[in-house]
Amino acid sequence: DTAVSQTPKYLVTQMGNDKSIKCEQNLGHDTMYWYKQDSKKFLKIMFSYNNKELIINETVPNRFSPKSPDKAHLNLHINSLELGDSAVYFCASSHRPEFTDTQYFGPGTRLTVL
Amino acid sequence: KQEVTQIPAALSVPEGENLVLNCSFTDSAIYNLQWFRQDPGKGLTSLLLIQSSQREQTSGRLNASLDKSSGRSTLYIAASQPGDSATYLCAVFSGNTPLVFGKGTRLSVIA
Repeated sequence: DTAVSQTPKYLVTQMGNDKSIKCEQNLGHDTMYWYKQDSKKFLKIMFSYNNKELIINETVPNRFSPKSPDKAHLNLHINSLELGDSAVYFCASSHRPEFTDTQYFGPGTRLTVL
Repeated sequence: KQEVTQIPAALSVPEGENLVLNCSFTDSAIYNLQWFRQDPGKGLTSLLLIQSSQREQTSGRLNASLDKSSGRSTLYIAASQPGDSATYLCAVFSGNTPLVFGKGTRLSVIA
């Protein structure tokens, strides 16, 4: 009964490629997030969606495009991958938006760009 | 701009010891503060969430306190166990900025 799941768990690809990471939550939450954790373990918010609508975009390059087909899914598509995109990407969800209650995190996707 | 600092960066203690992890933040106008646990290769698990109107929250052996005016929070872990070994992250929500995380304290509890 995984609450927040992400696929794939690991992703290794060449510079310049386009890749997607999928996220699904079965908690019935309205809000979903994408976070990036860099090599120094610093965790930063990238996007937040509430009821399929974008509510936060934290100065992320437009090569990153989140897509929310429904409230339970928030996928992350990355175009023209760069070396600096290598990181662990976490999806999360919460009942209410804007960080007012507990967030539930997925297990992460480790992206390595060669 | 909100900044969150956690001290120490790493901590190693013998099993059974009580310990305190510290978190400080620069902007005291916060809505809430959360403590998370991150195990190696895994996602974050929320431990405690303290609203700005609260002074502390307890869950089992964990107790988190919040002093907004001084910009500090502590996470107290009683009777530490090897299973408590993980990285503990503090995160602050200030209302007009997204959740801001500290860099974490890496805890090792030695049997």
